[in-house]
Amino acid sequence: AQSVTQLDSQVPVFEEAPVELRCNYSSSVSVYLFWYVQYPNQGLQLLLKYLSGSTLVESINGFEAEFNKSQTSFHLRKPSVHISDTAEYFCAVSTLGNEKLTFGTGTRLTIIP
Amino acid sequence: NAGVTQTPKFQVLKTGQSMTLQCAQDMNHEYMSWYRQDPGMGLRLIHYSVGAGITDQGEVPNGYNVSRSTTEDFPLRLLSAAPSQTSVYFCAIRAGYTDTQYFGPGTRLTVL
Repeated sequence: AQSVTQLDSQVPVFEEAPVELRCNYSSSVSVYLFWYVQYPNQGLQLLLKYLSGSTLVESINGFEAEFNKSQTSFHLRKPSVHISDTAEYFCAVSTLGNEKLTFGTGTRLTIIP
Repeated sequence: NAGVTQTPKFQVLKTGQSMTLQCAQDMNHEYMSWYRQDPGMGLRLIHYSVGAGITDQGEVPNGYNVSRSTTEDFPLRLLSAAPSQTSVYFCAIRAGYTDTQYFGPGTRLTVL
């Protein structure tokens, strides 16, 4: 069975500062990794995903995540955050042939003006 | 929301009442699923379906029933609601074989 750990439940960051949201996973087989974002009072939107190939994946709004197999991590980073990035971020994992998506407990990103 | 609709958006029930949360999609995707979201617990899988007539349990299936008579619809039934089922419920579809799941807008359920 797979599992996901997001150690930071809340991360406050000053506007225009960099941020890293941590995600570690556990699985005995190859994984697919995802970051979803949930803006206040909205549903979940896919931010980015790693399925195969390049270990560095990027989103259209400046976030990036790097798959690190040796450290079983998929940390999310952004070099300069904006007020509009205020949201809750969920890391998730699934495995080939396994339809179940397992989520972490989420990290609430708060941007301080 | 990738063609996934959920109704109602909000619902208040009394303990013991029954209701059905509706989920529909118009993209002909085989895989559909239900999650519940609770503070500090992320999203947890309730039930899922890999096609019409096929359903299976997820992590937290107790107290919920599902059926999949058509590809388009995947309703979630609460036969006797309990306060512990107060939550936000999300339906999701998986697009093709990319293992990427897309979520509906959610239903916020309160059980008094």
